[in-house]
Formats: sequence, structure tokens, C-alpha cells
Amino acid sequence: SQKIEQNSEALNIQEGKTATLTCNYTNYSPAYLQWYRQDPGRGPVFLLLIRENEKEKRKERLKVTFDTTLKQSLFHITASQPADSATYLCATRTLYNTDKLIFGTGTRLQVFP
Amino acid sequence: EPEVTQTPSHQVTQMGQEVILRCVPISNHLYFYWYRQILGQKVEFLVSFYNNEISEKSEIFDDQFSVERPDGSNFTLKIRSTKLEDSAMYFCASRAGQNEKLFFGSGTQLSVL
Repeated sequence: SQKIEQNSEALNIQEGKTATLTCNYTNYSPAYLQWYRQDPGRGPVFLLLIRENEKEKRKERLKVTFDTTLKQSLFHITASQPADSATYLCATRTLYNTDKLIFGTGTRLQVFP
Repeated sequence: EPEVTQTPSHQVTQMGQEVILRCVPISNHLYFYWYRQILGQKVEFLVSFYNNEISEKSEIFDDQFSVERPDGSNFTLKIRSTKLEDSAMYFCASRAGQNEKLFFGSGTQLSVL
């Protein structure tokens, strides 16, 4: 079945720089990938969805790419701010005809002033 | 913005006791979910619910678990006889018909002693 892999090590960057987080999937190319933000003790909050026929999607300072050859999605935050510090989760469905969304372990981002 | 609400925010129970976790999904949403997250681990799918019946469930969701939508607004998760390993944050989520974006509640932290 499909598996999602994210770098479990924390990413520390300086305010104003671009943060880049990686999500790899192991099997077939999913119809879409979703990115969520999770703050400590809170539920995930949806950020962006990118479909397999889309190379790139943007929303304000956020950008997501989808590379089916590399089986990878990259999530970028430009001009990062300390308020962007959180854990970012990648998610997709296990199969095309399922309603079950699976999540990666998430990557914790720390933006320091 | 509409939100998913969950009660209680914290629940402490003795092993073997029954607990009911409550959720009010967003009012016009059609698909409902329970996820859980053990401290430091990934968000795990438990069950999905559509048209008044379970559409999918994970291997975690055994006979000790049940879900119900007793009226037009509430969605509950019952654990009949809690075990120590049921201690986790439980998240309710919902989504609209054609939109894959999940809206999560803030969670119920369940501690089984």
C-alpha cells in the first residue's frame, strides 16, 4: 500500500529565508497530495492540495510542487516568519477508490529571528 | 469560518471503562472521520462515515470501537472497554461532498490510567 515519507528531523532556518520541506511517496502516483500545518496540541489545518497533473500550486507565500518521476512533493515557504514555526504534514489517499487519507510523520519547522 | 468542535478537550478514564468522544462536524459536510495521534507519532486513520454508515475502517478500529451519528449534528466515537494503549489525541474531521480538503477539530486528549 501507499506510504508517505517525510524527513523527521527538524528544519531550523532564519527568518526571511525560504523553507523547503520534502514528501516522498513509495508506490503509485497518487491523484493528489495535500499539505497540512499542525501546531502542538491542535488538529491539522489544511494548506494546499496539488493534483498529479499539476506541476506547481501557489498560495500567498506557500508553493507546492509535484514530481511524479521522483515520486516527490516539495513544500516551500518563502520569506519565512517565526509564526510559520509548526509541524507540516503531507497526506494522500492510500488507493484511488478509497476515502482513507494517510499522513506522513511530519517535519517540524523552526524559524528563528 | 465554520469549524469542527470536539468535546471534551481532555478525558481521563480508568482502564476497562467506556468513553464517548463527541464531535460536531461542519453543518453542510457529508463525510466524517476519526483519526488519532499517539504522542510523537503520526496522525492515524481510524474510520470514515458517510450516508449513516461506516465506509472504511482501519485495523485499529476493532470491536471495541463504534461510531454513531445520533442526530443531524453530532458524530460520536465510543470505546467500550478502554486499554492503556488507547491513550492518544483523538481528532474528528469532516469534509464537503466534492472537496477533498479535511477540516479537523482541536481534538480530545484521552488518558487511560
